[in-house]
Parts: sequence; structure tokens; C-alpha cells
Amino acid sequence: RKEVEQDPGPFNVPEGATVAFNCTYSNSASQSFFWYRQDCRKEPKLLMSVYSSGNEDGRFTAQLNRASQYISLLIRDSKLSDSATYLCVVGGGSYIPTFGRGTSLIVHP
Amino acid sequence: SAVISQKPSRDICQRGTSLTIQCQVDSQVTMMFWYRQQPGQSLTLIATANQGSEATYESGFVIDKFPISRPNLTFSTLTVSNMSPEDSSIYLCSVLPGLALTDTQYFGPGTRLTVL
Repeated sequence: RKEVEQDPGPFNVPEGATVAFNCTYSNSASQSFFWYRQDCRKEPKLLMSVYSSGNEDGRFTAQLNRASQYISLLIRDSKLSDSATYLCVVGGGSYIPTFGRGTSLIVHP
Repeated sequence: SAVISQKPSRDICQRGTSLTIQCQVDSQVTMMFWYRQQPGQSLTLIATANQGSEATYESGFVIDKFPISRPNLTFSTLTVSNMSPEDSSIYLCSVLPGLALTDTQYFGPGTRLTVL
């Protein structure tokens, strides 16, 4: 089983749609969780950290479920500019963060 | 946060040659990493660049093929040696500015390598 798993997609949605991505992780000792965004031919950039209580940043909501060992990212009112690959990242206190394969999102007019 | 630059941004190289990629950070950072990302794939960690000592390599990567230097807390190099077409990839430098592995990671813009 891979340490961090994501559905690669692509998710193809119209503008204005709500889309959700899930990411599962295998190491129950994981302590830090992030969502990164990677545009085509660009480096990954932090989208948001994921806290135990969940967190929201505008149209983006991230949640953590420790019992089931998954994190989620919800995007509301999708924009064309949201088209990108979304990488799930899981880290621990003693090991280097592990990246998921990424989920590709395509928002069309 | 940290601002990271990489040189070169891209290169096309002949099989059997070597390329050295430079990574410069605008501030002193505790940890620096080198990743590889092949087309359509996720990031694969090559090694952790340790300041003043030998790098720590991940499974499948060896020092003879990917020698790494880190002379100080703001600079590192990765060399891709005796290149083959399978080495064609994007190579990314990354840093953890803080002291904890739970901190946010920042990435350089990457070096796009094509080996003919």
C-alpha cells in the first residue's frame, strides 16, 4: 500500500461546480497535512495546511479525519483558474513529508 | 517563507555527459531536498542535502549517480552523472525553513532536463 494515495483523476467539471478530492495515508503517526497546487510546468506551491479542526480559506475547505486516515479538499464555485494538479502531502515528526501522486482538475466553461 | 532559485532552468544534454544543477535560497534553512518529477508522475525524493556532510539518499538513488553538495545553509548542487534518456525529468530543489519536518515546504522553480 502506498503511503499517500490520491485519485489521479482527471476531474472535469464546469465553472461554478463544487468538487471534492480525498487523500488517504497509511502512517497513523503522521502529524502534518497539506494541500499543494501544481500548475503545468511549474513547481508545487502551498495551497493550505490542514488542521485537525478543519480550515477554510475562501472557496477552499480542507478537513482531516484521523480515525479513517484521510484528508479532503473541497472547492466551491470552481473557476477556470482552479485548473491544476492538487497534491496531498503528509508528514510526521520524524520523517520527511510524503507527496501523493496528485489529482488533476480541469474546469471548463 | 523562502525564495528559491535554480540554475539552469532547463537544459538539453547528450547521453553520457553530466549536468550540475544549482539551488540558491534567500535565507538560511535547516533542510534542503532534491526531488525528481517525471512527466505525469508525482514528486520522488532523491536525497536530503546535509550541510557539511554527505547527503542522505533515498532507496533507488546513489551518490555516484547523483552527487550532492551543500557547502552552507543557503546553497546546494545536484549533479546528474553519466546521463541517459531515462534521466529526462524535472529536478526540484526544496527547503524546510523551520526546524520541524512538520513545517511548510517550499520549492524552487525546477530544472527541466532532456537527455538525447
